[in-house]
Amino acid sequence: GNSVTQMEGPVTLSEEAFLTINCTYTATGYPSLFWYVQYPGEGLQLLLKATKADDKGSNKGFEATYRKETTSFHLEKGSVQVSDSAVYFCALSDRKETGANNLFFGTGTRLTVIP
Amino acid sequence: GAGVSQSPSNKVTEKGKDVELRCDPISGHTALYWYRQSLGQGLEFLIYFQGNSAPDKSGLPSDRFSAERTGGSVSTLTIQRTQQEDSAVYLCASSSSYFLAGVGFVYEQYFGPGTRLTVT
Repeated sequence: GNSVTQMEGPVTLSEEAFLTINCTYTATGYPSLFWYVQYPGEGLQLLLKATKADDKGSNKGFEATYRKETTSFHLEKGSVQVSDSAVYFCALSDRKETGANNLFFGTGTRLTVIP
Repeated sequence: GAGVSQSPSNKVTEKGKDVELRCDPISGHTALYWYRQSLGQGLEFLIYFQGNSAPDKSGLPSDRFSAERTGGSVSTLTIQRTQQEDSAVYLCASSSSYFLAGVGFVYEQYFGPGTRLTVT
C-alpha cells in the first residue's frame, strides 16, 4: 500500500539555521510527491512538488529531491526565518483505478524558528 | 482568483445530532476531495468526486458519513448521529491537472481552510 513516514517533531531552530525534515515513502505505483505547509491558523498550502525520479521541487528557498533509489523526499532550507514556523507535511499521490489521486500524508513536523 | 471555501469554519454539536459541512471548490476544478485531520489519525482521505463519475467512497469511516456533489460544483459532507470521535478538522480540496511530457497528467490539490467540528 501507500504510506509516508516523516521525521517526528517538534523541531526548534534558531534563525538562519539549516533545516532538514526527513521523509520516506512506500508506494505501489509511481507516485507524485509533495510538501504541504500549514501556517498557524491557516489551511494547508502546497509548498513544492516533484513528479518523477531526480526531479527537484523548490519554492520560497525550500527544496526537495525525488529519490527513487532511497524512496525519499527530504525537505531542506539553507537559512530558516521566523516566518517559516509552521507544520510541514510530506505527501504522495498515486492514481487509483477509480481515477482518484488522493493524498497520503505523513504525520506532520512542527517547526519553530526562534530569533 | 477565489480559492476553495468551506462553511461553517467552526461547528459545535451535541452527540447524536446530524451535521452538514459545505465546500465550494475552485471554479473549473472537476475533482473534489474531502479529508479529515484529527489528533489521533493525522490527515485521512474520506471521499473523491470527479465530474459525473461515481464517487470513490473508500475512505469514509462508517455509514454515518455521506457526501454529495450537486451540479459538479458545491459539495456537502453529512455526518449523522455524530460521535465524539468525529471531532476533527474536515478539509476539502479541489484539483487541477496538466499534462507533463514524460510523466503524464499531474494533479495538484488546493485546500480550503477547513471546518473544525467539535462533538460534545
